[in-house]
Amino acid sequence: DGGITQSPKYLFRKEGQNVTLSCEQNLNHDAMYWYRQDPGQGLRLIYYSQIVNDFQKGDIAEGYSVSREKKESFPLTVTSAQKNPTAFYLCASSILELAGYNEQFFGPGTRLTVL
Amino acid sequence: AQTVTQSQPEMSVQEAETVTLSCTYDTSENNYYLFWYKQPPSRQMILVIRQEAYKQQNATENRFSVNFQKAAKSFSLKISDSQLGDTAMYFCAFRGGVSGAGSYQLTFGKGTKLSVIP
Repeated sequence: DGGITQSPKYLFRKEGQNVTLSCEQNLNHDAMYWYRQDPGQGLRLIYYSQIVNDFQKGDIAEGYSVSREKKESFPLTVTSAQKNPTAFYLCASSILELAGYNEQFFGPGTRLTVL
Repeated sequence: AQTVTQSQPEMSVQEAETVTLSCTYDTSENNYYLFWYKQPPSRQMILVIRQEAYKQQNATENRFSVNFQKAAKSFSLKISDSQLGDTAMYFCAFRGGVSGAGSYQLTFGKGTKLSVIP
């Protein structure tokens, strides 16, 4: 079955540690996205990538880093510089067409808790 | 920058009744795309319905339909014959239609929590 997988489902981190969240898709989508979800805040874009080896900052990129070495994979690293990393993180992907819906498909999410 | 506003943080509806969730947005573009996503307690985001601004006909997907008012920049979601499984957060989202690096991004509203009461 085609889809997006995120791992782990729950992640605990001590303050001062970096942690990497995994996102893999087998939909052959060119674009991938990372969102952060906090209560009452909706989804906010952290980073996105439209092609391998290229990515762009979203609205709240500070304290995060990403890589896109393969089309299928877009891992997110939450660094110790992120002041308030406890949140729910969602990964998404989409095709890229100039004229088209390009709706985003989402993974199941990772809940990160900083202890 | 585009903004999306969902003015109803929480709503409730009796099972089998109809409910309408509101969404307004701000943009200077003429063509764009609008979406409603559902996030049930499992937290999996699911696309409910979508609408292209150039299309005058309101989109419909089974019990879900939209009322798209382009001049008013309004995009409300109507759920008919509400079911217990409709209990979820509902997010309205906007995507611009102009080509460019940022044109594939979605801007989300803050969501409406819908509870369907038996």
